[in-house]
Amino acid sequence: GAVVSQHPSWVICKSGTSVKIECRSLDFQATTMFWYRQFPKQSLMLMATSNEGSKATYEQGVEKDKFLINHASLTLSTLTVTSAHPEDSSFYICSASLGGQLQPQHFGDGTRLSIL
Amino acid sequence: DQQVKQNSPSLSVQEGRISILNCDYTNSMFDYFLWYKKYPAEGPTFLISISSIKDKNEDGRFTVFLNKSAKHLSLHIVPSQPGDSAVYFCAASAPDSSYKLIFGSGTRLLVRP
Repeated sequence: GAVVSQHPSWVICKSGTSVKIECRSLDFQATTMFWYRQFPKQSLMLMATSNEGSKATYEQGVEKDKFLINHASLTLSTLTVTSAHPEDSSFYICSASLGGQLQPQHFGDGTRLSIL
Repeated sequence: DQQVKQNSPSLSVQEGRISILNCDYTNSMFDYFLWYKKYPAEGPTFLISISSIKDKNEDGRFTVFLNKSAKHLSLHIVPSQPGDSAVYFCAASAPDSSYKLIFGSGTRLLVRP
């Protein structure tokens, strides 16, 4: 149980385009999902907390207009990188929890985004 | 300000021996700690967790120890297997933090056959 699916796994696109990444909880409902970013050989940095039916909560330094998050249902959250530039190239990972403080987050397999 | 620290970037152990991965934290409000295993280009896989009311939690070959006074936790893997070779992240969360996890920088474990 607690499977999180992320799609696509790899995206290459031109600078200036927008890219949408989907995160789905396959066998459970997730009122809260999280979006992380990982640079090579670094840790996972939380970008934002996605709440079903409400606005996402962004971490300090993360541009909410650049990284649009939508959590329209209990099983789907999307991250859209708008007008992507090469510096947005990174590994983006989502996670979801069964809920409650003492529950682990379960992660998708990540999306490798490369902006040319 | 790193609230969760993994001071050893890498660790190499012989197959069959014990692997001990360490993690220190600074925020005394953390009450839930987790260990994740990660392969390149994949998402982290949850291994084991512990709440602050305990000092030990065991699951098969994996045991997590928590020393609250020292703000230190460790993951023991016994016996280590080549398939355990990966990057291990410790993470922590605090009450009323909207379940946010703060991750350490990771330790790359290599288990030699």
